[in-house]
Amino acid sequence: DTEVTQTPKHLVMGMTNKKSLKCEQHMGHRAMYWYKQKAKKPPELMFVYSYEKLSINESVPSRFSPECPNSSLLNLHLHALQPEDSALYLCASSITGLAGNYEQYFGPGTRLTVT
Amino acid sequence: TQLLEQSPQFLSIQEGENLTVYCNSSSVFSSLQWYRQEPGEGPVLLVTVVTGGEVKKLKRLTFQFGDARKDSSLHITAAQPGDTGLYLCAGASGSSNTGKLIFGQGTTLQVKP
Repeated sequence: DTEVTQTPKHLVMGMTNKKSLKCEQHMGHRAMYWYKQKAKKPPELMFVYSYEKLSINESVPSRFSPECPNSSLLNLHLHALQPEDSALYLCASSITGLAGNYEQYFGPGTRLTVT
Repeated sequence: TQLLEQSPQFLSIQEGENLTVYCNSSSVFSSLQWYRQEPGEGPVLLVTVVTGGEVKKLKRLTFQFGDARKDSSLHITAAQPGDTGLYLCAGASGSSNTGKLIFGQGTTLQVKP
């Protein structure tokens, strides 16, 4: 089973709203990732969690707040977003974030629209 | 800074034609992944190549990793409309222990029936 699930599938939010994106995997993977993707562009890395600890923050604005409650779950809390934050948000996981284990499995994404 | 240059960026062909997508870098990668992504969905891992000169086949898709592990290609034989999508190459650096992938810019493939 190489499934990563994400909820919700679609989200429309105003600039003053607070919402959360959720990601779950049950493959026993210990590294989890958040990416942002614009149309016809490659995914842009936002955050990496390794063994439930934040290991990479790619200078993401503080209006995006990640959380890893346990090894299977990853959340992305959203607050005071801007219209330019509208994008497909992808979650991914890999066995570990260590050398030799780079295959990442992606979820279906959350299509976020900020109005 | 490691970069992966992917070409072509866009490709529109007729069903039954062959095509090749290239992924090139001046940097050495410890492994390279190829993904296919359909609109509104997440990328799906197609293959990982690890050894220089390695060739892997997945039905009508043939993947090759360059001898020096700086480049890779994806060849599709007799393309079908179901092959339509965004193809992404992504490289991993052996010097990194973060799991961070370097993505190419992607190739948007349209196969017309």
